[in-house]
Amino acid sequence: RKEVEQDPGPFNVPEGATVAFNCTYSNSASQSFFWYRQDCRKEPKLLMSVYSSGNEDGRFTAQLNRASQYISLLIRDSKLSDSATYLCVVNMGILTGGGNKLTFGTGTQLKVEL
Amino acid sequence: EPEVTQTPSHQVTQMGQEVILRCVPISNHLYFYWYRQILGQKVEFLVSFYNNEISEKSEIFDDQFSVERPDGSNFTLKIRSTKLEDSAMYFCASRVSGVVMNTEAFFGQGTRLTVV
Repeated sequence: RKEVEQDPGPFNVPEGATVAFNCTYSNSASQSFFWYRQDCRKEPKLLMSVYSSGNEDGRFTAQLNRASQYISLLIRDSKLSDSATYLCVVNMGILTGGGNKLTFGTGTQLKVEL
Repeated sequence: EPEVTQTPSHQVTQMGQEVILRCVPISNHLYFYWYRQILGQKVEFLVSFYNNEISEKSEIFDDQFSVERPDGSNFTLKIRSTKLEDSAMYFCASRVSGVVMNTEAFFGQGTRLTVV
């Protein structure tokens, strides 16, 4: 099983649509969770951290389900500028013996169209 | 806003040659990383560096690779004898902490390495 698994997409949605991405991770000892955004041939940039209680930042909502080892990202009222690849990223954490490296999923490609 | 800077942005080298990729992490950050991304594939961890030594490395990071922080600001990745399969985008990243949960990693713009 892959350490971090995502549906690669692409997800083609019209402007204004709501779209949801899912991610699963294999190691139950994982401690920190993130969604990063990557534009074509650019560096990953943090979109938001993901907390157990769920968190929201404007049009973006992230959820974490530790029992199912599942992370989600919801984008509401999608804009053309949201077109990018969304990377699910997991950090096991030093205290659990996993070091401090980030483990990336393959990413889910989103295309928002007029 | 502070940022991680990488040079060069693009490096073309012949197979078997040595290359050095350079990075200047954010000044108050303590944890440094190199990742690579082969075109069309996921971002892969290479190595992490803390307190002037390697703290973790992946299977990719074999004897052909080395890292150094020569002067307290630069953080370099050296590939001794490049292979065609080393062609990729190499990202440097830094974090203020590798222990505190949910600490953001900031990535540089990347160096595109092309081995011919």
